[in-house]
Amino acid sequence: QQQVKQSPQSLIVQKGGISIINCAYENTAFDYFPWYQQFPGKGPALLIAIRPDVSEKKEGRFTISFNKSAKQFSLHIMDSQPGDSATYFCAASDPGSARQLTFGSGTQLTVLP
Amino acid sequence: DADVTQTPRNRITKTGKRIMLECSQTKGHDRMYWYRQDPGLGLRLIYYSFDVKDINKGEISDGYSVSRQAQAKFSLSLESAIPNQTALYFCATSALVGRGKETQYFGPGTRLLVL
Repeated sequence: QQQVKQSPQSLIVQKGGISIINCAYENTAFDYFPWYQQFPGKGPALLIAIRPDVSEKKEGRFTISFNKSAKQFSLHIMDSQPGDSATYFCAASDPGSARQLTFGSGTQLTVLP
Repeated sequence: DADVTQTPRNRITKTGKRIMLECSQTKGHDRMYWYRQDPGLGLRLIYYSFDVKDINKGEISDGYSVSRQAQAKFSLSLESAIPNQTALYFCATSALVGRGKETQYFGPGTRLLVL
């Protein structure tokens, strides 16, 4: 049972373009939504996170947009750079499940120079 | 030096063999996790531990066992390895930082191939 659905599976963007990755969830108990970034040969690392009491959070070129009523959230990477090429995972945390993180299936982003 | 280390980084084993993957952390966190990563499936939780005396099964614990030898050490064992346990395994640690925020810090991973 996949509680967090992520799309697309892969994404190719030109340098300077906008990368958009989408996630949808079913469990309304989720109350914390982080995004993790993983470079080849490395473990995932926290990139940015949001709580559902706000609709948007921006950190540099990275923005999370959150739609509580639709149970969807997305990551936007503005002015995408080749160094952003990585795998991105959305995740969600449920306080009722000891704050376990449920991860999406991942999106492999390639930014062409 | 890395805060979360995993050994070995790569391992090839044969069906039926027992193997152990080890994880150590210097972050002082109480919470530790084992995940496996498979293409198209993301990260799935195998086991987690909130302190030395607390061990909990995750989503896919069948075929695996764990041991929390100390606050800083959490090992994962495959009692009798099978080919569908071929995957990338990650250890992670975390600590709650107010209002439910929790950042997990991942090790570099162990790539396991079961023949």
